Amino acid sequence: AQSVTQPDIHITVSEGASLELRCNYSYGATPYLFWYVQSPGQGLQLLLKYFSGDTLVQGIKGFEAEFKRSQSSFNLRKPSVHWSDAAEYFCAVGADSGGGADGLTFGKGTHLIIQP
Amino acid sequence: NAGVMQNPRHLVRRRGQEARLRCSPMKGHSHVYWYRQLPEEGLKFMVYLQKENIIDESGMPKERFSAEFPKEGPSILRIQQVVRGDSAAYFCASSPLHAGNEQFFGPGTRLTVL
Repeated sequence: AQSVTQPDIHITVSEGASLELRCNYSYGATPYLFWYVQSPGQGLQLLLKYFSGDTLVQGIKGFEAEFKRSQSSFNLRKPSVHWSDAAEYFCAVGADSGGGADGLTFGKGTHLIIQP
Repeated sequence: NAGVMQNPRHLVRRRGQEARLRCSPMKGHSHVYWYRQLPEEGLKFMVYLQKENIIDESGMPKERFSAEFPKEGPSILRIQQVVRGDSAAYFCASSPLHAGNEQFFGPGTRLTVL
């Protein structure tokens, strides 16, 4: 069974500083990997995804993530955070078992706090 | 192109009542997924449906929960005889055919059981 670990429950970063959110996954084959962001009381917005190819993927809002197969990681990065980046961030893994796209497995999330 | 729509956004039920949550996928999307989010938790997959078919219900509780995605109309997640532990946010996502695994999420329905 696949699983996702986000080891940091909370992270506090100063505005303008760089950010890295960690994500480790467990899956037997090459997974589909995603980062979603959720603002309070809202649904999830896709930041970026990795299906195959270039292991460094660019997303919206200046985010990027790097797939490292050897470390089973897919960490999210941003060079300079803005106050509006404060939110909950979820890493997710998915697969296609041949019958269509499977349901996603989510990590428990990392709550990002931005200090002025 | 309208996004995934869910209604109601907030639903309050007393213990023992039924809750019906509706999800209209994005236009052209034929796959619907339901997830549940408990407080301080990530989303947990419940069920995956295509039109008139349940593809994977491995995440659905065995009792009281059911889902459908009819040929016409929205997908429905139905919870019978709700209990306080059913209080959560329920999210629907949709995906087009052959789009890998990218899912687009609705705003969620927040169910409160009194």
